[in-house]
Amino acid sequence: KQEVTQIPAALSVPEGENLVLNCSFTDSAIYNLQWFRQDPGKGLTSLLLIQSSQREQTSGRLNASLDKSSGRSTLYIAASQPGDSATYLCAVSIYNQGGKLIFGQGTELSVKP
Amino acid sequence: DAGVTQSPTHLIKTRGQQVTLRCSPKSGHDTVSWYQQALGQGPQFIFQYYEEEERQRGNFPDRFSGHQFPNYSSELNVNALLLGDSALYLCASTSGGLYEQFFGPGTRLTVL
Repeated sequence: KQEVTQIPAALSVPEGENLVLNCSFTDSAIYNLQWFRQDPGKGLTSLLLIQSSQREQTSGRLNASLDKSSGRSTLYIAASQPGDSATYLCAVSIYNQGGKLIFGQGTELSVKP
Repeated sequence: DAGVTQSPTHLIKTRGQQVTLRCSPKSGHDTVSWYQQALGQGPQFIFQYYEEEERQRGNFPDRFSGHQFPNYSSELNVNALLLGDSALYLCASTSGGLYEQFFGPGTRLTVL
């Protein structure tokens, strides 16, 4: 059974700091991995999708890496800003399951001015 | 291009009642999934619809049912509501290939 874990559960950093969020999964037979952002009480915004054959994806100040063999992904945020404060969720999809996502519990990020 | 839309935004019901939530997928998407997110938790997969059929189902009781219409929009129905059904219900849409999921704003259901 696939399980996804995110550490830490919460993180507080000063503005301008570079930071790394971690995601681990127990079954390496994934189809892809997505990182999402969620503001309080809102829906999920897709940040990055990494296909199983890829090692990393970049969008602006965000960089996500994937190591299937070790069951790990990281989301790197450069030069953090107060507007980056949100909960960050990672989710994996499994082969032959039509894109069904299995989520971690999220990392709540607070960037202090 | 309209993204995924959901209605209503908020809903308050009492135990034992029934509720219907609605979702319109992103333009060009044919697959709709529903997720339940309890406070402080990650979303949990309820089920997925493709070509008007339930294709996958998570570990949810039969009180949770759904439907997909020919225009790919979808409904989630929950019967005999329990206090524990209080949550944010999220709809996601995708199409084949990468299966990148796009989520709607959610419906906040409160059961009293």
